[in-house]
Amino acid sequence: EAQVTQNPRYLITVTGKKLTVTCSQNMNHEYMSWYRQDPGLGLRQIYYSMNVEVTDKGDVPEGYKVSRKEKRNFPLILESPSPNQTSLYFCASRRLAGQLASYEQYFGPGTRLTVT
Amino acid sequence: KNQVEQSPQSLIILEGKNCTLQCNYTVSPFSNLRWYKQDTGRGPVSLTIMTFSENTKSNGRYTATLDADTKQSSLHITASQLSDSASYICVVSGGYNKLIFGAGTRLAVHP
Repeated sequence: EAQVTQNPRYLITVTGKKLTVTCSQNMNHEYMSWYRQDPGLGLRQIYYSMNVEVTDKGDVPEGYKVSRKEKRNFPLILESPSPNQTSLYFCASRRLAGQLASYEQYFGPGTRLTVT
Repeated sequence: KNQVEQSPQSLIILEGKNCTLQCNYTVSPFSNLRWYKQDTGRGPVSLTIMTFSENTKSNGRYTATLDADTKQSSLHITASQLSDSASYICVVSGGYNKLIFGAGTRLAVHP
């Protein structure tokens, strides 16, 4: 079954304690991305990757890191989490699109993070 | 500034009724427009994708329309069911691999 998986699904942590949220896809997609979703706001892109070892900042990258050492995995790292990073996080993947292409984007189930 | 605005913010309808959700965008260049359904606590799931040359696209009881001249799209839900209760998100592709998300419309279908 084609899917994007994330772990953990729920996480409560304290300010400053480093954490990693894993993301994996089994569709051989080149493009992977992380989003955060907050009440009343649309999904905002944190980081994205167009292929192995190729990552770039999205709209809200501050306080986050990512890596893409393998095509299937794209972990999100919070080196020193703060309460304003409490949010619902989604990983997504799709084929890399040309200018006029419109490939389907698949989302993971989400990770609800609470930082106290 | 690239923006996607959806209306209404929330909507309550009775089971069996139809409804229409709106999406206005100011995104350039324009590549395609997507509608997603997001159940509470889950990831968004795609309903339709339309390029600028497509006016209408259907997926079961969901029909999306696109007017690229006025930069407006709508999602029409026919004969609503309780399982249609969800948030519906309009997403515009603003060029090479860039997606701009609307804040969504929260739909509640009551029996």
